[in-house]
Amino acid sequence: DGGITQSPKYLFRKEGQNVTLSCEQNLNHDAMYWYRQDPGQGLRLIYYSQIVNDFQKGDIAEGYSVSREKKESFPLTVTSAQKNPTAFYLCASSIGTGPREKLFFGSGTQLSVL
Amino acid sequence: DQQVKQNSPSLSVQEGRISILNCDYTNSMFDYFLWYKKYPAEGPTFLISISSIKDKNEDGRFTVFLNKSAKHLSLHIVPSQPGDSAVYFCAASAGGANNLFFGTGTRLTVIP
Repeated sequence: DGGITQSPKYLFRKEGQNVTLSCEQNLNHDAMYWYRQDPGQGLRLIYYSQIVNDFQKGDIAEGYSVSREKKESFPLTVTSAQKNPTAFYLCASSIGTGPREKLFFGSGTQLSVL
Repeated sequence: DQQVKQNSPSLSVQEGRISILNCDYTNSMFDYFLWYKKYPAEGPTFLISISSIKDKNEDGRFTVFLNKSAKHLSLHIVPSQPGDSAVYFCAASAGGANNLFFGTGTRLTVIP
């Protein structure tokens, strides 16, 4: 079955530590995204990538980094510079970034700070 | 600043009745609107969309209405079923999937 796989489901970060969230898709989609969800807030875009080896900052990119070395993979690193990393992180993909594109989401990773 | 607002965090409806979920937006540049549904422990899934050139779009039990002058859209589910119990997110686009703004979600509970 085609879809988006995020791992791990739960992740704990110690102070000053970098952690990486995995996102893999086998939908052959060109575009991939990372969103953050906090309680009482809508999803907010962290980074997105339209093609391999290219990515753009979203609304809240500070303290995060990404890479897109393969079409299928778009890992997100939460760096120690992100002072409030506790949130639910969703990865998504779409065929393109056109105005009528639908997003396909993974099941998310809950990140908490120890 | 929340450009897409869902002011009702939760809604309970009896099975078989109509569910109406509301969404307001502030940016007049939004030209495409989508609803996503999210079950616990799963990612959101696309439900229905509407372009700003229309005022209604229907797909089976789901109908989305758009009132551009009021900057308001609503999702109607008729008849509501227990399997519809989920969190519903409204989203608005100003030119592309990389420029999508989400509301905070409304948790719908359909009571059998």
